[in-house]
Amino acid sequence: AQSVAQPEDQVNVAEGNPLTVKCTYSVSGNPYLFWYVQYPNRGLQFLLKYITGDNLVKGSYGFEAEFNKSQTSFHLKKPSALVSDSALYFCAVGGSQGNLIFGKGTKLSVKP
Amino acid sequence: NAGVTQTPKFQVLKTGQSMTLQCAQDMNHEYMSWYRQDPGMGLRLIHYSVGAGITDQGEVPNGYNVSRSTTEDFPLRLLSAAPSQTSVYFCASSSMGFRGTDTQYFGPGTRLTVL
Repeated sequence: AQSVAQPEDQVNVAEGNPLTVKCTYSVSGNPYLFWYVQYPNRGLQFLLKYITGDNLVKGSYGFEAEFNKSQTSFHLKKPSALVSDSALYFCAVGGSQGNLIFGKGTKLSVKP
Repeated sequence: NAGVTQTPKFQVLKTGQSMTLQCAQDMNHEYMSWYRQDPGMGLRLIHYSVGAGITDQGEVPNGYNVSRSTTEDFPLRLLSAAPSQTSVYFCASSSMGFRGTDTQYFGPGTRLTVL
């Protein structure tokens, strides 16, 4: 069965510092991986995805993610965090029903 | 281009009541789906549709019905509400490329409380 794990419930970062939100996956076959962000009382917004090709994927708002097949990871990164990046971040893998299979989410808190 | 819209934004029901959550998209997407979001559990798939007239069950379908009479609309019906259905419900849509690769676009959600 396909699954995604986000090992950290919360990540705390100071503004201006680099941030990493971790994600590992378990998939039989080729993984199709996504990151979404959810701001308070809002829907999910697409950040980026990996389907094939370059292992470093660039997305919206300065975020990027690195696909690592040997470590089965797809960590989300940003070189310099902003207070406005504070939100709930979800990693997901494409499912066989055309759906997304989500991790439990990681709350990112960026302090000034 | 409104994207994916959902109504209502908030709803309070009593146990046993029924209601319909509305979802519409204006992107001519063939694939539409419903998820529920519960604290610490991420989002879980309730039902999905690959086109008008075609629906199927997801991971947590019990207590919910769906229909897809048009490409644009995908309502979710709660037949007899239970407190366990207290959740935030999201509708999503995507075009039908190779399954599992399409970006899904989410509505703003409906926060449902069942007393």
